[in-house]
Parts: sequence; structure tokens; C-alpha cells
Amino acid sequence: DGGITQSPKYLFRKEGQNVTLSCEQNLNHDAMYWYRQDPGQGLRLIYYSQIVNDFQKGDIAEGYSVSREKKESFPLTVTSAQKNPTAFYLCASGLNTIYFGEGSWLTVV
Amino acid sequence: GQSLEQPSEVTAVEGAIVQINCTYQTSGFYGLSWYQQHDGGAPTFLSYNALDGLEETGRFSSFLSRSDSYGYLLLQELQMKDSASYFCAVIYGQNFVFGPGTRLSVLP
Repeated sequence: DGGITQSPKYLFRKEGQNVTLSCEQNLNHDAMYWYRQDPGQGLRLIYYSQIVNDFQKGDIAEGYSVSREKKESFPLTVTSAQKNPTAFYLCASGLNTIYFGEGSWLTVV
Repeated sequence: GQSLEQPSEVTAVEGAIVQINCTYQTSGFYGLSWYQQHDGGAPTFLSYNALDGLEETGRFSSFLSRSDSYGYLLLQELQMKDSASYFCAVIYGQNFVFGPGTRLSVLP
């Protein structure tokens, strides 16, 4: 089945540690996105990519990094520079409409 | 810049009709989308308006008026499972900008 797969579903990060969230899609979409959602809040754009080997910062890119080496994959790294990373992270892809993966819950311990 | 406004909360009873409004201050966008998100889950796509007018998909309809910078999502024959947050989103250039979301509570 076509779709967007995020992993892991739940992730715990220690202070000072970098973690990487995986996002894979088999929908043949050029555009991919990463959003952050805090409890009870809306969606804030972290990074987006319109084509392989190119990506742009969103509204809250500080403390995050991405890569787009393959059309199907858009991993997000939460670096130690992100001081408050506990949130729900959502990957999406699409053009006129975007479709979301199931999300990844990141908690700092 | 892009800015969207939605009511924070709406309450209705089962079987009723509810309208969730979305106003925006954005020019040059390509369309308005609506998403549903249940607690703990990911947003799911509901509807997309590329042109002015009404789009109907089962119990859900969405409307867009570019001249009024306004759109709405209409939910008919409300069911308990419709209790969720609803987000409007503007497709602006190469980017999607989401509204703050409206929490819909459906009462028995």
C-alpha cells in the first residue's frame, strides 16, 4: 500500500544527544515536509524539501537538520542545540494536498 | 506573510450541523485544505478547494471565497466520532501554512 512511514513511533532522548527521525514515502511525491506539534497546539513547519538534494528552512528550523538524498526519504535530526525537543513530529508529502505519516513522539529524559 | 484564524472551540450535539470558519490574510495562495486530527493521532486530509465555491464529500463540505478571504468546513449529521481538532491550511507558494485549529466537541 502507498503511504508515508515514520519511525520510531516513540523515542526518548537524553540531554545533549542527537536523535534522527525517519520518514519514508512511496507515493512518488517530490515535496516533503516536517512539522512539530506541541500538546494542544497547531502545526509548525521545521523544514521542507521540494526536490532531491534541496531543502528549505521553515519557521522553527533552529536546532534541527535534514537531508534529502533520495526522493523517498527525508530524515530529521533533532540536535542537542534544540533545547526543548519534547513534541509530536509529523512528516508529510504531497503537492496540492499533503498527506501525513503517523507521527513520532519524542521525549527528553 | 501568512496568517490564518479559526475559532478555538466549537460544541454541538449529535445529528446537528456545524460550521468551522477559517479567515486568512494571505495573497497569492493556490488553495485551501482541511484536515481532521483526533487526540494522539496524525492529521488526515478531508477536503481541498482550489477554486471558489463549495466542495462536497459525503457528510463534509468545504467552501472558499477568495474575494472575502474566507473559507469554512461544514459537517452534517454530526457523530460522536467527529469530535476532533480541525485545521485549515493554505497552500502558499511551495509551502503549507496551517491555522491554529478548532476543537470540536460533539455531545450526545
